[in-house]
Amino acid sequence: GAGVSQSPSNKVTEKGKDVELRCDPISGHTALYWYRQSLGQGLEFLIYFQGNSAPDKSGLPSDRFSAERTGGSVSTLTIQRTQQEDSAVYLCASSLSPMRSETQYFGPGTRLLVL
Amino acid sequence: KQEVTQIPAALSVPEGENLVLNCSFTDSAIYNLQWFRQDPGKGLTSLLLIQSSQREQTSGRLNASLDKSSGRSTLYIAASQPGDSATYLCAVSLLAGNNRKLIWGLGTSLAVNP
Repeated sequence: GAGVSQSPSNKVTEKGKDVELRCDPISGHTALYWYRQSLGQGLEFLIYFQGNSAPDKSGLPSDRFSAERTGGSVSTLTIQRTQQEDSAVYLCASSLSPMRSETQYFGPGTRLLVL
Repeated sequence: KQEVTQIPAALSVPEGENLVLNCSFTDSAIYNLQWFRQDPGKGLTSLLLIQSSQREQTSGRLNASLDKSSGRSTLYIAASQPGDSATYLCAVSLLAGNNRKLIWGLGTSLAVNP
């Protein structure tokens, strides 16, 4: 079956522009997670969804970052007025349920470069 | 604040060698610990998940142990192969409340040479 997919795979943008990153979770997975991996740093949790609601958005680094999920499926992470420090790989993961015993399945990531 | 550390940062071994990767965490109040593998351009793959009540998990040539009281986990890879070359990441799931975030180490970059 299909795994988690993310688009675009690569995105180059100019400082100050808005970008949208998309995640398609595994069908039937109710929990969805966004992480960021910056060069030389570990993965950083951004936000998690249970269905269409986000019980934990504590990792979003600033109000320029927002995310939504519709239909309990696709999620979009939006970064407004991008800055160079936003350059990173953005990873999406999904799990069957938000139970912490559930394995998270990761997509290939979107590599964002802000010039 | 939970912090996860992985040692060594990089490791290069000849094919066939048995090896151990180390992960330590500062707060023993974890729900579980996971080991992942990261291949360039392919995202992360979960290898083993150890619940806080467990001491070890095995999958094929991989064995992961957990000593929660001392804040340590090891990933043992037996008879390493070139295909094992990747970055190995350790992550802990926190115990408290509605928290679902994983706290990650920086990883160990493994190269297995033919």
